[in-house]
Amino acid sequence: NAGVTQTPKFQVLKTGQSMTLQCAQDMNHEYMSWYRQDPGMGLRLIHYSVGAGITDQGEVPNGYNVSRSTTEDFPLRLLSAAPSQTSVYFCASSTRDEQFFGPGTRLTVL
Amino acid sequence: GQSLEQPSEVTAVEGAIVQINCTYQTSGFYGLSWYQQHDGGAPTFLSYNALDGLEETGRFSSFLSRSDSYGYLLLQELQMKDSASYFCAVRDHSGGFKTIFGAGTRLFVKA
Repeated sequence: NAGVTQTPKFQVLKTGQSMTLQCAQDMNHEYMSWYRQDPGMGLRLIHYSVGAGITDQGEVPNGYNVSRSTTEDFPLRLLSAAPSQTSVYFCASSTRDEQFFGPGTRLTVL
Repeated sequence: GQSLEQPSEVTAVEGAIVQINCTYQTSGFYGLSWYQQHDGGAPTFLSYNALDGLEETGRFSSFLSRSDSYGYLLLQELQMKDSASYFCAVRDHSGGFKTIFGAGTRLFVKA
């Protein structure tokens, strides 16, 4: 099992560009989440999903969209990148008790 | 909303015991979990408490008191490799089923 995979590992964008961060899991988990982590800080929840077709906003959803068309995939879209979105992005899939994190995507917006 | 508080830094000596506290506020508490993160890595799961009491997993133990909205992570026989950031996280089911993290505690283990 690959667990949770994220692509790309690194990305540099210019202000105003859009892009999609990919996340996939092979554990058949219903719950999936996206977090961002800024230097020296904790993880802040962006969006989450409790199953295919169901998504909801977390703590910091502005500027991001998500969709969940399959159990396996949970992509995160940046609509118009801003320097404030420079961060490390983690995707997680979870059971009721435990979250499994992907390796992260380091995003820089110039 | 939800909020969690934990100390920003803790320093301890190799072989010692350290306790990292976490207090939380949430309207739909479901459980408290702990994660470890080394620099440049992803968070990894350590423990989960849904009921009051102590859960032990090897050198790590986690405690929860739901009535006090309080929990702690206890690390015994500290090793240098335990130097990392530790996050408490609340599983919350108010307005959805989500996990909210605290800001993290940076643990420095000295020789």
